Amino acid sequence: DTGVSQDPRHKITKRGQNVTFRCDPISEHNRLYWYRQTLGQGPEFLTYFQNEAQLEKSRLLSDRFSAERPKGSFSTLEIQRTEQGDSAMYLCASSSGPGNTGELFFGEGSRLTVL
Amino acid sequence: GQSLEQPSEVTAVEGAIVQINCTYQTSGFYGLSWYQQHDGGAPTFLSYNALDGLEETGRFSSFLSRSDSYGYLLLQELQMKDSASYFCAVREGVDSSYKLIFGSGTRLLVRP
Repeated sequence: DTGVSQDPRHKITKRGQNVTFRCDPISEHNRLYWYRQTLGQGPEFLTYFQNEAQLEKSRLLSDRFSAERPKGSFSTLEIQRTEQGDSAMYLCASSSGPGNTGELFFGEGSRLTVL
Repeated sequence: GQSLEQPSEVTAVEGAIVQINCTYQTSGFYGLSWYQQHDGGAPTFLSYNALDGLEETGRFSSFLSRSDSYGYLLLQELQMKDSASYFCAVREGVDSSYKLIFGSGTRLLVRP
């Protein structure tokens, strides 16, 4: 399978714990995105990378959230001191450049439940 | 800032045609995309319009009017498997950003 893969698919944690999600994009894609989605809503942009550079981060994103893409391949999203409001589906997507056709390839997501 | 408006829910009969509208307000604009998401699944790309007019891909078509900040997705010959949520998304033309901003989605229910 050469699609976007995310791990873990499900994570249940207690409030205050740290969690980390991993995303492996499609291998030739240089752009990688993280989105968050809650029930009944559209994906909400969190951050995106072009190669290893984090080019944009949502102003709504708390400083408890950090993302890395150290070698321009896989990426990790860490949430520190989780809160119940962090419960959501965390989606990773990738795309290729230059140029843009508005097409992102999404993974199946990592569902986070904070108790 | 940016905002996208689309109806929250649409119901249609199998075999019919349905149109899902999307209006947007953005600081700049490069194009309008449409995505489909089945319950429990990942969003999947359907179409992209950068220029005014109609783009057709099989049973699905997408339209854009840049002057009206408006687009729609047209689904023809509806099938039960088309029951899903549909999202419009815009790429803003700010600082060459490649991020997409998504609407809150339209839930389509196809009835027999």
